[in-house]
Amino acid sequence: GAVVSQHPSWVICKSGTSVKIECRSLDFQATTMFWYRQFPKQSLMLMATSNEGSKATYEQGVEKDKFLINHASLTLSTLTVTSAHPEDSSFYICSAREVGRSNQPQHFGDGTRLSIL
Amino acid sequence: GENVEQHPSTLSVQEGDSAVIKCTYSDSASNYFPWYKQELGKRPQLIIDIRSNVGEKKDQRIAVTLNKTAKHFSLHITETQPEDSAVYFCAATASGGSYIPTFGRGTSLIVHP
Repeated sequence: GAVVSQHPSWVICKSGTSVKIECRSLDFQATTMFWYRQFPKQSLMLMATSNEGSKATYEQGVEKDKFLINHASLTLSTLTVTSAHPEDSSFYICSAREVGRSNQPQHFGDGTRLSIL
Repeated sequence: GENVEQHPSTLSVQEGDSAVIKCTYSDSASNYFPWYKQELGKRPQLIIDIRSNVGEKKDQRIAVTLNKTAKHFSLHITETQPEDSAVYFCAATASGGSYIPTFGRGTSLIVHP
């Protein structure tokens, strides 16, 4: 149980393109989803916390107009990297936490490797 | 906010040896401490967790200890195997607010056959 599906797993695109990444909880409902960015050999950097039906809470230094987050249902959150540039190239991972289980482990997606040429 | 320090950043052991990774946290309100294992290019996976009402938890070759007074917790892996090689992250979550976990910087464990 507790499977999180993240798509796509790998994206290569030209500079200036907008890229949408989907994060779905397959067998549970998730009030809260988290979006992380991870650079090689580094830790998970929290970008934003996404709550179903409300605006995402962004961490300091993360541009909300650059990284658009939508959490329209209890099973789906999307991250759109708008007008992506080479410096946005990274590994993006989502995670989800089951409704009513606030202090419980997160379940991570497989991640999306984004390469901007 | 919470601050989690993790040491060492790299740990190299021989197969069969034990490995210990240590984390400290700053927020005394933190009461949930998961450990994740991340293999190269893959998702972090929960391997064990502990809550503040427990001092130790064990699952086969893996154990976690928690010292609330000193605000530190440790991961112990016994009889290490090459497949244990990965990056391990600790995290601490406080009971208040949005329960946002704070991750340590990670420890790269290398088990030599």
